[in-house]
Amino acid sequence: AQSVTQLDSQVPVFEEAPVELRCNYSSSVSVYLFWYVQYPNQGLQLLLKYLSGSTLVESINGFEAEFNKSQTSFHLRKPSVHISDTAEYFCAVSVAAGNKLTFGGGTRVLVKP
Amino acid sequence: DTAVSQTPKYLVTQMGNDKSIKCEQNLGHDTMYWYKQDSKKFLKIMFSYNNKELIINETVPNRFSPKSPDKAHLNLHINSLELGDSAVYFCASSQEVAAGSYGYTFGSGTRLTVV
Repeated sequence: AQSVTQLDSQVPVFEEAPVELRCNYSSSVSVYLFWYVQYPNQGLQLLLKYLSGSTLVESINGFEAEFNKSQTSFHLRKPSVHISDTAEYFCAVSVAAGNKLTFGGGTRVLVKP
Repeated sequence: DTAVSQTPKYLVTQMGNDKSIKCEQNLGHDTMYWYKQDSKKFLKIMFSYNNKELIINETVPNRFSPKSPDKAHLNLHINSLELGDSAVYFCASSQEVAAGSYGYTFGSGTRLTVV
């Protein structure tokens, strides 16, 4: 079975500073990787995903994540955060032919002015 | 609007009661899910249905019973509610069984509080 570990439960960061959210996964088979964002009192929204091909994937709002197979990681980064990026971020993994998403414990990003 | 919609958004009830949460998606997806998010934000899958057929049933008390009248609906019925059932319940759907390639579309959640 696959598992996901998000190493930081909370990351405080100042506005316009960079942020990195760490995600490591464990699986014996090929996986797909996802980052979801949950704004306060809302459902989860897909931020970006890695299926295959280029190991660097980007979202439309400036986030990027890099798949590193040797380190079994899929860290999320943004070079300059905004107040509006304050949210809970979830890393998730699915086996390539499966239908179940397994989530990490989440990382709360608090952007301070 | 195309979406996954859940009702009610908030549900406060007493221990021992029976309650239902409804979920509908108009995305044409074949697979629907129920996830439970606890107070620490941890998300755990409960059930998954594909075209009205149960395909995932995680270790969930049998007080929880999902029902899928058609592929656009997946309801969750909970009997004999307990304090530990308090959580946010999310419905989600995906385009096909191999949801790994597409990810999920989530509803906005139902916050259940058992008192």
